[in-house]
Parts: sequence; structure tokens; C-alpha cells
Amino acid sequence: GENVGLHLPTLSVQEGDNSIINCAYSNSASDYFIWYKQESGKGPQFIIDIRSNMDKRQGQRVTVLLNKTVKHLSLQIAATQPGDSAVYFCAENPSRRALTFGSGTRLQVQP
Amino acid sequence: SQTIHQWPATLVQPVGSPLSLECTVEGTSNPNLYWYRQAAGRGLQLLFYSVGIGQISSEVPQNLSASRPQDRQFILSSKKLLLSDSGFYLCAWSVVTTGNTIYFGEGSWLTVV
Repeated sequence: GENVGLHLPTLSVQEGDNSIINCAYSNSASDYFIWYKQESGKGPQFIIDIRSNMDKRQGQRVTVLLNKTVKHLSLQIAATQPGDSAVYFCAENPSRRALTFGSGTRLQVQP
Repeated sequence: SQTIHQWPATLVQPVGSPLSLECTVEGTSNPNLYWYRQAAGRGLQLLFYSVGIGQISSEVPQNLSASRPQDRQFILSSKKLLLSDSGFYLCAWSVVTTGNTIYFGEGSWLTVV
């Protein structure tokens, strides 16, 4: 079936470097995408979202890029900090009923 | 501002025992409500969602059930727990007009022994 998936299960970066987390989606009906951050033992937290009529959206230190042609979503984190260490999920809403989540990527920031 | 509370935060239950997890949302009216489950080190699986009082949609057939007795209250239940029910249960809410961004509670860790 159609699903949202991630290319890399674990990403390790040095503090201060930029991080890029990738996500592939396959449901062309999705028109809204979200990135969540989940710290250990906590619920996922909203980071940034993007609608399908956009290809880029920036927040504070984060940027989401959407490539509808290849059904690819990425999250860029600038100047990665130890507090950014977490699992990151992308999510899509193919039906406006509920979000479908990918399997997650663990970001490890080395001091 | 909106807040979501779920409890208990942690529980250990024997196989065959009942389950009741409760979730309440404050600061909004008529939210969509959700129960997700997350197995250790895995993604989030949608279990139930509700668009209104008494309206429950089940995504995965299993021995769990959900109820929404009040507008901002969502309950996850089971009559007899299985070992496979162990996991991290997350309640969440959304408002459709905002694009269906889902906001999560802090979660409940369930260990069935």
C-alpha cells in the first residue's frame, strides 16, 4: 500500500554542522506534510509543515523542502545542537482524516 | 492555549487484565481526537480517530476499543490485554481547519506482563 518512509534510520552529525533528514512519500493525493521531533519517552512535537502548493518553507533553524516530482520531503536543521538529538518523523495527510507517519530517523549530535 | 493531558503515564498490567487510558483536551471545541500506538523504536500506528462525541473510527482490528463520552474526552480501553498490546500510546488532537496538524500528548507507556 502507499506509505511514507525514510531513507536513513540513523544520522550522526557533529555539533554545529547542518543536518538533512530525508523522507519519501508515495501517495500523490497528499497535500499537506509535517515534520515532528520526538525526544525519548515523550510525545512527538510539531516542528514545521508545508502544503503541496509550496516547495520550501523556513522556520527558526529549520527548513522543509518538498519535491512533488519525485515525492520527496526533507528537513534541514542549521547549526545542529545537542538538543536536536531525537527521532524525526515525517507525516502526510492523504485523506484529511488522519496523518500517516513514516518510520522515523534518529538524529545523533556529537559534541 | 490548547493543552492535552493523558494518564496514566506508565502502567504495568498482567495479561488478561482490563485497560483504560484517558485523554482530555482543553482550550478548544469539537477537536478531532486520535489514539496512536508506537512500538519500541518504531513509527506511529493510528488506532482510532473521532470527529465528534460518540463517533469512533477504528483503523486496526484488535482487542482495543475507544470511546468519546464528551467533546474533549477520549478513552482507550481493553477488556483483556495481550502481550502484544505493550507499547507507547499517544493521544492527539487536531482542528481540521488548520490543515490537520496533529498535536500529541505526552504518552502512556504500557507494559503487559
